[in-house]
Formats: sequence, structure tokens, C-alpha cells
Amino acid sequence: SAVISQKPSRDICQRGTSLTIQCQVDSQVTMMFWYRQQPGQSLTLIATANQGSEATYESGFVIDKFPISRPNLTFSTLTVSNMSPEDSSIYLCSVLADNQETQYFGPGTRLLVL
Amino acid sequence: AQTVTQSQPEMSVQEAETVTLSCTYDTSESDYYLFWYKQPPSRQMILVIRQEAYKQQNATENRFSVNFQKAAKSFSLKISDSQLGDAAMYFCAYRSHSGGSNYKLTFGKGTLLTVNP
Repeated sequence: SAVISQKPSRDICQRGTSLTIQCQVDSQVTMMFWYRQQPGQSLTLIATANQGSEATYESGFVIDKFPISRPNLTFSTLTVSNMSPEDSSIYLCSVLADNQETQYFGPGTRLLVL
Repeated sequence: AQTVTQSQPEMSVQEAETVTLSCTYDTSESDYYLFWYKQPPSRQMILVIRQEAYKQQNATENRFSVNFQKAAKSFSLKISDSQLGDAAMYFCAYRSHSGGSNYKLTFGKGTLLTVNP
């Protein structure tokens, strides 16, 4: 499985500001994903990060709020824009394994918005 | 749309004993993948086991095994010889087999497993 790192691991932010989360993989992967896990809840897919094209967003998530970059096959960023306390969550990136079957997850970024 | 249901919000087991976590799902597809992930307090999502729907044989990984009942749309996880390190939140997840943009994982709400010494 790929080794996935995320930065920052946690942050406390003020409402109205933005935070960019980085996801780095130790090998080239075709597909990367960003999930949100609200407190005490399950994971929800925000978007699929496509290399060389715009991200594909799930219903309820928009590019203006969660802009995503995917400059190459090992790196992606998720920005949480104009944050409110409702954005307090764990944000996880994942990658699709070479066999196209299994997703492996990064360690997550715990975000608290005050 | 696919849905995944975990009816047990919390479970507990004595160390060295066996516990079964339940998961049911709803889909109109015939080919798909099912997963169990564990999330310990460190919050890292760790793959426990994977099952392909076209395989009748139940998947096993050391002390972890599944009971996959396709007709009943049931996918339970059995943990044998439970260890303290098994304590975590366990999520059942579904993924369509078809490719393209449909690699989305749909998760259940999770079951919090406590292992008592």
C-alpha cells in the first residue's frame, strides 16, 4: 500500500479564514480523493482530485468552498475557504491502489474553527 | 443510491473472545466491493478486509473474517481472539465495481468496539 502523509495534522482557525491541506503520496497514483468526517460521524466524499483537470465534486460540495489542486500524480491540496464553525471536521485524503480496488487513507487533518 | 447500515453503534468484547459486527447494504448493482475499515483514536483509517461481490468465498485476514451473504445484502465482520489493539471505530463501506468516476466509497455510521481486559 502507498504511504500517505498530510499537512497539517491539526489546526485551529478563526472563522472567515481559509486553510490549505496538503496530501503527499510516496508513489504515483491515478486517483486521489478528499473526504470529510464531521464530529462523531462517518466519512463523506467531498471530491475526486483529477490530475490535469478540475476536480469532480459530490452533491453538496462546491469548488468555491473547497477548491482542490492536483498538480501531479503524487500531490494534492484541499482548501477550506471562508471557514465557519460548521467546517470543524477531520479531512482525509485517500488514494486508489494500483489494482483499482482499494482506497488507502492518509492520517487526516483535524480542523477546529472558532 | 447505495446505502450502508451498521445497526450496532457500540459493541464490547472480552479480550481473547470473538465478536461479530453487523453491516447491511442496499444496492441494485450485481458487482461491487465491500470493505471494513478500522479507525483507532489516532483517527488513521486502516483497511481491515475486502470482499469482491463476485466471489462466493468469504474473505479472511488472519483473525478477521467476513460472512458475506449476497442475497441478503449482509456483510458482517468476525474478529477472533480479540486483542486490546482491536479497540476502534469500525466502518463498513461499499464501492461500485464499475470504473470511470464511480470510485466513491459509501460508509456506514460505524460501530465503536471496546475490548475489555
